[in-house]
Amino acid sequence: AQKITQTQPGMFVQEKEAVTLDCTYDTSDPSYGLFWYKQPSSGEMIFLIYQGSYDQQNATEGRYSLNFQKARKSANLVISASQLGDSAMYFCAMRGVNGAGGTSYGKLTFGQGTILTVHP
Amino acid sequence: KAGVTQTPRYLIKTRGQQVTLSCSPISGHRSVSWYQQTPGQGLQFLFEYFSETQRNKGNFPGRFSGRQFSNSRSEMNVSTLELGDSALYLCASSGGGSTGELFFGEGSRLTVL
Repeated sequence: AQKITQTQPGMFVQEKEAVTLDCTYDTSDPSYGLFWYKQPSSGEMIFLIYQGSYDQQNATEGRYSLNFQKARKSANLVISASQLGDSAMYFCAMRGVNGAGGTSYGKLTFGQGTILTVHP
Repeated sequence: KAGVTQTPRYLIKTRGQQVTLSCSPISGHRSVSWYQQTPGQGLQFLFEYFSETQRNKGNFPGRFSGRQFSNSRSEMNVSTLELGDSALYLCASSGGGSTGELFFGEGSRLTVL
């Protein structure tokens, strides 16, 4: 079974500053993929970044980076230079992966989410 | 490229009624999955379809069902609605890709009175 834990119900950050959203996970799968999604008030889940368990380097996508610490089973999202439009709910999620470097498959298991508020 | 389209966006039903929600995936995507989102339970997996076959199913009662058509469009149905079925129902499609990420629609918000 897979489990995702997000311990920060809410986070506040000043515009233009960096913020880290925490995520820890538990799984018995040897290969897995970790995702971060953003959900604004409109409801749509927007894919931000992906990290495969066998990836040697931490994933980065523009202002988003994933601080992956496999031994600690953590996959924290770092948002640099926060913008007002970053205010939203953020979800960490995981799926199984077919072998090392394979494509993820199956259901996404989500954490409870963190509400991020960016102040001007 | 059009995103995932869900209809209707909002609907209100009464207990005991049934509802059908529709999802059109991104063109070329053959996998469609459904999730229920509530404040209390968070995001929970309902089912996944691939090429008209149900590939995975979550832990929901038999009142929740779905299907996928040959054009990859999917529908989910909830019969004998209960108050607890009030939720945002999200559909996601996947085309495999390098990471297998899911692309979500804006959801159908169901209110059961």
